[in-house]
Amino acid sequence: DAGVIQSPRHEVTEMGQEVTLRCKPISGHNSLFWYRQTMMRGLELLIYFNNNVPIDDSGMPEDRFSAKMPNASFSTLKIQPSEPRDSAVYFCASRSAPSPGGTQYFGPGTRLLVL
Amino acid sequence: KQEVTQIPAALSVPEGENLVLNCSFTDSAIYNLQWFRQDPGKGLTSLLLIQSSQREQTSGRLNASLDKSSGRSTLYIAASQPGDSATYLCAANSGGGADGLTFGKGTHLIIQP
Repeated sequence: DAGVIQSPRHEVTEMGQEVTLRCKPISGHNSLFWYRQTMMRGLELLIYFNNNVPIDDSGMPEDRFSAKMPNASFSTLKIQPSEPRDSAVYFCASRSAPSPGGTQYFGPGTRLLVL
Repeated sequence: KQEVTQIPAALSVPEGENLVLNCSFTDSAIYNLQWFRQDPGKGLTSLLLIQSSQREQTSGRLNASLDKSSGRSTLYIAASQPGDSATYLCAANSGGGADGLTFGKGTHLIIQP
């Protein structure tokens, strides 16, 4: 299995631009998580889906952030408009077990820099 | 709200030593606890997962223990090697309506050759 796939791996954009991050979970996994990692705050959960349905988006920092999972093999995290404070590494993770429990498998992350 | 703390923040030891990394969490009502390894500029690799009903898990030179009542977990690394150098993160899963992981800030480990 290829593991969790994220694209792009690196993104540099200017303040005010729209940014879309993509994730392909491990085939057969039915839970998907988006996390953000910064030096100041560490790793934080943004949102997670079970069977393509958003369950908890309380970690999404602002209305500028939105996430979708149109099918079991694809999810997007969109930031519009982007701001310099959004600069971070964004990780996607997936899990096979039903809620809760089971190992979460992480993708390599997308390193976002907003100038 | 669950909070996870890891001590020490950084650790440097000579190769061959046995070492213990500590993790504490404020809400003992966890479903499981997971230890990860993160190499510089890389993603997270799962090392061990301990269910709330378990006391410990072992994988090779790694042993993780869990004491829910005291809100603590430890990761024991035996016979450390330079390849063990990385940041080690622990994460608590509180389950229920909060199914994501709450992470500690990590312990940055350097094993000196």
